[in-house]
Amino acid sequence: TQLLEQSPQFLSIQEGENLTVYCNSSSVFSSLQWYRQEPGEGPVLLVTVVTGGEVKKLKRLTFQFGDARKDSSLHITAAQPGDTGLYLCAPKKGNNRKLIWGLGTSLAVNP
Amino acid sequence: EAQVTQNPRYLITVTGKKLTVTCSQNMNHEYMSWYRQDPGLGLRQIYYSMNVEVTDKGDVPEGYKVSRKEKRNFPLILESPSPNQTSLYFCASSLGGSQPGELFFGEGSRLTVL
Repeated sequence: TQLLEQSPQFLSIQEGENLTVYCNSSSVFSSLQWYRQEPGEGPVLLVTVVTGGEVKKLKRLTFQFGDARKDSSLHITAAQPGDTGLYLCAPKKGNNRKLIWGLGTSLAVNP
Repeated sequence: EAQVTQNPRYLITVTGKKLTVTCSQNMNHEYMSWYRQDPGLGLRQIYYSMNVEVTDKGDVPEGYKVSRKEKRNFPLILESPSPNQTSLYFCASSLGGSQPGELFFGEGSRLTVL
């Protein structure tokens, strides 16, 4: 059973466009992390959100944790080719240290 | 420079020939983990270790072994590799403790078993 759904699966946009990707579940999470994985490399942490309704900004990236802590979104403003990569959400349930990994959104930003 | 180092980065081998993928971290992290990444299946945890001499099975441990004799090293052993173990493997580490911590990943080891 897939506990986590990331959408869209693939996204190809032009430089300068805005976009939002989603991470949804029917489960309640204690925290959620977003990672970006560039081709040929391992994932790199972008942000951790813990509180329902929390919004965090990282330059042109805005992350939001849903009020009920069941979902999250990542909004990128004025996308650049350097934003190209696989965006993975990884929530945790309860006190379990284990991360649950989504399949990711593969983003391509064309110059 | 803080990093997780995996070797080899690329390996082509044949069924049944034992191999070891090494993983070393220089951040004094307590927690280390191995994942495999496959198209359509995402990242799946193979084994993890909370500290030296403490290892536990992840979601897909069959066909793999690990050891944690030193804090910095966490090798992944395939005693008798099979074609279904062809995959991209990642080692990761984090500081430890109960709070959500940042996972630091290696660059990956792409394994092909013929």
